[in-house]
Amino acid sequence: DTEVTQTPKHLVMGMTNKKSLKCEQHMGHRAMYWYKQKAKKPPELMFVYSYEKLSINESVPSRFSPECPNSSLLNLHLHALQPEDSALYLCASSVGRFGDSPLHFGNGTRLTVT
Amino acid sequence: QQPVQSPQAVILREGEDAVINCSSSKALYSVHWYRQKHGEAPVFLMILLKGGEQKGHEKISASFNEKKQQSSLYLTASQLSYSGTYFCGTSQLNAGGTSYGKLTFGQGTILTVHP
Repeated sequence: DTEVTQTPKHLVMGMTNKKSLKCEQHMGHRAMYWYKQKAKKPPELMFVYSYEKLSINESVPSRFSPECPNSSLLNLHLHALQPEDSALYLCASSVGRFGDSPLHFGNGTRLTVT
Repeated sequence: QQPVQSPQAVILREGEDAVINCSSSKALYSVHWYRQKHGEAPVFLMILLKGGEQKGHEKISASFNEKKQQSSLYLTASQLSYSGTYFCGTSQLNAGGTSYGKLTFGQGTILTVHP
């Protein structure tokens, strides 16, 4: 069982819809991440939050909007997405954000944009 | 800067050994190794920090050559459960001696173990 929980597991949305992905962890980790993974490709970093503050944005288009309401929750708000945004969106957490602690991944949300 | 993994794919029979390599053109603070099975999340295997250490976990071990910015994952006496895609993730070293806080994954190595 994963200790990072992501909802929903699957999401189909139209290009004009607004939806949100949710991620939750109760391990006391202070760093949380959003990664995007296309089929047969490695996870690509999108955002890093450290102590609930956005510390890294990998030049992600503004149609993706992250939010960290508290130390256990991470959201990704989606608006006006394109079909090429269809992918597996992975949330992860770690004790610290300096690369010296493992990333714990959730099972992901498989997003399809129609 | 994305690390480079080799080989891209490995096919083994149970009990055989394999080595997966990961190299970077940048100075590294740490190297992580993860395994991802089809339709599942990546699972952490081990982490190596700068210092040239070697770590082991049962029949899976890894090394990190800090001078060459290279890491290798060693899988011995492979089992069917070892099948999956292996990713190395690297965190670059900054001027302050820590990392920039980004973990970048290599392209992955597909490992298939047959009975």
